[in-house]
Amino acid sequence: DAGVIQSPRHEVTEMGQEVTLRCKPISGHDYLFWYRQTMMRGLELLIYFNNNVPIDDSGMPEDRFSAKMPNASFSTLKIQPSEPRDSAVYFCASSLQGPRQYFGPGTRLTVL
Amino acid sequence: AQRVTQPEKLLSVFKGAPVELKCNYSYSGSPELFWYVQYSRQRLQLLLRHISRESIKGFTADLNKGETSFHLKKPFAQEEDSAMYYCALIDSNYQLIWGAGTKLIIKP
Repeated sequence: DAGVIQSPRHEVTEMGQEVTLRCKPISGHDYLFWYRQTMMRGLELLIYFNNNVPIDDSGMPEDRFSAKMPNASFSTLKIQPSEPRDSAVYFCASSLQGPRQYFGPGTRLTVL
Repeated sequence: AQRVTQPEKLLSVFKGAPVELKCNYSYSGSPELFWYVQYSRQRLQLLLRHISRESIKGFTADLNKGETSFHLKKPFAQEEDSAMYYCALIDSNYQLIWGAGTKLIIKP
């Protein structure tokens, strides 16, 4: 297995544009997590899914953020409209009913 | 409230010196704690977990329930240890609660 796959690896966009980040979890994993990493706040959990169902989205900062998991092998995190303060590295992670989470390489987002 | 605290944002030590990355937690139940590491330009990965009682890359961490701590230690730092280190606690829903992270810099 290639591990958790995220795309794009880097995204540069202008303020106000829509941004969509993608994640493919490890096959067979039933939990999927979206995190945001910044120097100021460290690693923050945004939302997580269990069996494609959102369980806890209390970490989603604002209504501009939304996440979907239409099937077991794909999830998206969307920011619309994007703002400069959204610039960060966004990680996706998956796990199989246990504590060990496997992280993707991250997407570095820069909003100008 | 459940919380993980890493009091140092940045820790800089010389090669060969001992390293201790601090982690304190607040949790009502019996905690399960982890250390994750992110090397430059690599993905975040699990370093060790307290229930394994293992030593990875020379690092150890002992859970001290009295002090509610899970400090990460290594007796002799190496340059390749430079990285971002995160302490995390898992709750009953298998959700990780993260510390803010400590950037470790090993000076030659």
